[in-house]
Amino acid sequence: AQKVTQAQTEISVVEKEDVTLDCVYETRDTTYYLFWYKQPPSGELVFLIRRNSFDEQNEISGRYSWNFQKSTSSFNFTITASQVVDSAVYFCALSGNYGQNFVFGPGTRLSVLP
Amino acid sequence: SAVISQKPSRDICQRGTSLTIQCQVDSQVTMMFWYRQQPGQSLTLIATANQGSEATYESGFVIDKFPISRPNLTFSTLTVSNMSPEDSSIYLCSVGGGRGSYEQYFGPGTRLTVT
Repeated sequence: AQKVTQAQTEISVVEKEDVTLDCVYETRDTTYYLFWYKQPPSGELVFLIRRNSFDEQNEISGRYSWNFQKSTSSFNFTITASQVVDSAVYFCALSGNYGQNFVFGPGTRLSVLP
Repeated sequence: SAVISQKPSRDICQRGTSLTIQCQVDSQVTMMFWYRQQPGQSLTLIATANQGSEATYESGFVIDKFPISRPNLTFSTLTVSNMSPEDSSIYLCSVGGGRGSYEQYFGPGTRLTVT
């Protein structure tokens, strides 16, 4: 069975600090996909990134960066120079090939204080 | 990505009644999904709804409690039947990202409170 673990339940940082959200996954699939979603206080789920199991290249998008390491089954998310608007619950998710067996991690609540 | 709307956005219902939640997508999609998010928790998949076939339910969810309709490629409904306070949750529908894109895009959710 597929499983996603986000060990950090809550993180609190001061604005402009860097913060890394951890994600560890378990799967027996050889082809799978990893995702990050943001859920701000308003409640909507915002898709941030998808990563394929066969592409371990790290990705940077503005202040966001993602580090995918198959050797440790991790897909960590770093926010550089955090802002108050980054305050949200962040979910890591995993699916098998063709998007089946989509499973979410428990989420990490990030609070960025001014 | 598709634009997804849900009705109602929120409701307060009495124990023992049923509520039907509607999900409308602005483009045709093959697969639609229904999730439940209990207060302070993560998302749990209830079922996958394909047009023209019966919905596929995840372990712990049954059709009698959560009947789903999928009459066409842009619309689906989820009914929460014989509600109890434990059904108080946010219910979200989602759609796949399209061919080769396996992320899911979510509607705004329906916040249900059962008293």
